[in-house]
Amino acid sequence: SYELKQPPSVSVSPGQTARITCSGDALPNQYSYWYQQKPGQAPKLMIYQDSARPSGIPERFSGSSSGTTVTLTITGVQAEDEADYYCQSADTSYTYVFGSGTKVTVL
Amino acid sequence: QVQMVQSGPEVKKPGSSVKVSCKASADIFSSYMIIWVRQAPGQGLEYMGRISPISGTANSPQKFQGRVTITADKFTSTAYLDMSDLRSDDTAVYFCARIRSSYGMDVWGQGTSVIVSS
Repeated sequence: SYELKQPPSVSVSPGQTARITCSGDALPNQYSYWYQQKPGQAPKLMIYQDSARPSGIPERFSGSSSGTTVTLTITGVQAEDEADYYCQSADTSYTYVFGSGTKVTVL
Repeated sequence: QVQMVQSGPEVKKPGSSVKVSCKASADIFSSYMIIWVRQAPGQGLEYMGRISPISGTANSPQKFQGRVTITADKFTSTAYLDMSDLRSDDTAVYFCARIRSSYGMDVWGQGTSVIVSS
């Protein structure tokens, strides 16, 4: 079955930039989405259509796409950004799939 | 206010069935699809399937076909996830969310804990 691969963890100091990658063969042909999840909470949509930000999401969160890899970038990381982040897309039959998740730790 | 409110926690025996509900505001049912996602303890998110409440058309990944049924009652604006032949590895928090094509899953229910234990 189709998989989206993410690094298990990323560590970053406050004010620095965190980059989380997500790779998948179908990504050139399918939009990607990014979700933030904090312990005990439901996921929260952070990026849609590869790089668009929903209303209310801080500008420090951005998304980009290049070939089979998409990237979530957090510029000027804050302590409150510590969370798990999941990419999401679809396979060639339009079945949704989530990445394995990346834990962002703010040092 | 846009909301999706799920039913309460469940404890089930192996081999039994569970039905989780997700009540949404009426405008969600008329304009969005409803999806179901689960998260086992300490694990990632797993997509379980989706339904178009207006047409009633539902589908799930092959892994869940035959064991998961997703339905929607447009008169009560409530979606349902019905799972049979429960196993211990079905222990998870189950979430519903709304999705509109290419705009992502932007409103989520609070989650429903399902524990499968003998």
